[in-house]
Amino acid sequence: DVKVTQSSRYLVKRTGEKVFLECVQDMDHENMFWYRQDPGLGLRLIYFSYDVKMKEKGDIPEGYSVSREKKERFSLILESASTNQTSMYLCASSLSWRGMGHGYTFGSGTRLTVV
Amino acid sequence: GDSVTQMEGPVTLSEEAFLTINCTYTATGYPSLFWYVQYPGEGLQLLLKATKADDKGSNKGFEATYRKETTSFHLEKGSVQVSDSAVYFCALSDPTLGGGGNKLTFGTGTQLKVEL
Repeated sequence: DVKVTQSSRYLVKRTGEKVFLECVQDMDHENMFWYRQDPGLGLRLIYFSYDVKMKEKGDIPEGYSVSREKKERFSLILESASTNQTSMYLCASSLSWRGMGHGYTFGSGTRLTVV
Repeated sequence: GDSVTQMEGPVTLSEEAFLTINCTYTATGYPSLFWYVQYPGEGLQLLLKATKADDKGSNKGFEATYRKETTSFHLEKGSVQVSDSAVYFCALSDPTLGGGGNKLTFGTGTQLKVEL
């Protein structure tokens, strides 16, 4: 089975800190995604990447950046953490768009609290 | 743009009751449709999917049929168990969206609580 591993289940950071959330997948998937999940808002796409060193903005990219130096790793960076970035962050991966109908494989999530 | 609308929760049922969670969608192209489940404290897991009209996805006793004429993909289960308590997300993947990758558009999720 594909595994998507997020480095931390829980994080507490201070306002203004630079925060790195790491995600690694082990099945050679081309696409990787970062979402945040908030009550009543569902999942919102922050950034995604469909190839190494490629990235595209999702629906809510402000305050975030990403890095994909290797195919298996996709990092989400909060440049200067703020309390409104307290959320559950979910990483996912999938095969390329040519395999339409493939769903995502999600990591277990990182619950980030910014104080 | 594309969107997915799910019935609001929470849905509370007794064990062995029949479950329906409604999902309708709007899409530019001919999407693939998915149901994901999120158990407490975990990430989302793919529950079932359908890629063309009249396809029925099924898994673990859950079923959903791709209805193009009504743009719906309702989730059903004949007899729920306490262990089915979770949040269920409907999603679509639209091949006409640009930018590469098969982005999923999610509904807001429906919480299911099953009681003894």
